[in-house]
Amino acid sequence: SQQGEEDPQALSIQEGENATMNCSYKTSINNLQWYRQNSGRGLVHLILIRSNEREKHSGRLRVTLDTSKKSSSLLITASRAADTASYFCATDGINAGGTSYGKLTFGQGTILTVHP
Amino acid sequence: ETGVTQSPTHLIKTRGQQVTLRCSSQSGHNTVSWYQQALGQGPQFIFQYYREEENGRGNFPPRFSGLQFPNYSSELNVNALELDDSALYLCASSVTLQVAKNIQYFGAGTRLSVL
Repeated sequence: SQQGEEDPQALSIQEGENATMNCSYKTSINNLQWYRQNSGRGLVHLILIRSNEREKHSGRLRVTLDTSKKSSSLLITASRAADTASYFCATDGINAGGTSYGKLTFGQGTILTVHP
Repeated sequence: ETGVTQSPTHLIKTRGQQVTLRCSSQSGHNTVSWYQQALGQGPQFIFQYYREEENGRGNFPPRFSGLQFPNYSSELNVNALELDDSALYLCASSVTLQVAKNIQYFGAGTRLSVL
């Protein structure tokens, strides 16, 4: 079963606008990651944020994490048509002893369409 | 692009048949994970192999099995195929020593259609 949920399920914007996607999860985590997938092919890692971090930046990407609310958001600034893809959050969960399960649990994804 | 390669790209099978999917890990990676992605869904974890042994399994029946070889490449085998097994199968490699990060590098996937 999916760990969490993402919203919106689909987002359509114009080039140059910002895109914000949200992710919620259910269990304790070691870290949370965002991946991108083009046209049902392989996933590409975008950014990782550890459980003790609150915000992280990478180029046009900004990720926030609120472990008290078990939620994260991905902001893509100044979007481009080439950003059109599906975006997934994935959690690296930990057990009661604090050890990573070593697997990623994905949300259902947000389909982002950026119009030129 | 990652250095993870999967074969074949597409596969069509009929219900009840068996299928083997293959994956070559990125150089230097010692761990392989397999995921199933149904249309419109996020990937679901099937299992993970580390040092040629299964190192965690998701909620999949025993007819899903795997192997990891000494060169860290891997196979996913599915027996007695069912229509619901139609999906994109993704292989991801990672380095277990970096478990604190657990960034996984995905191949392009094998699209399996069961008729």
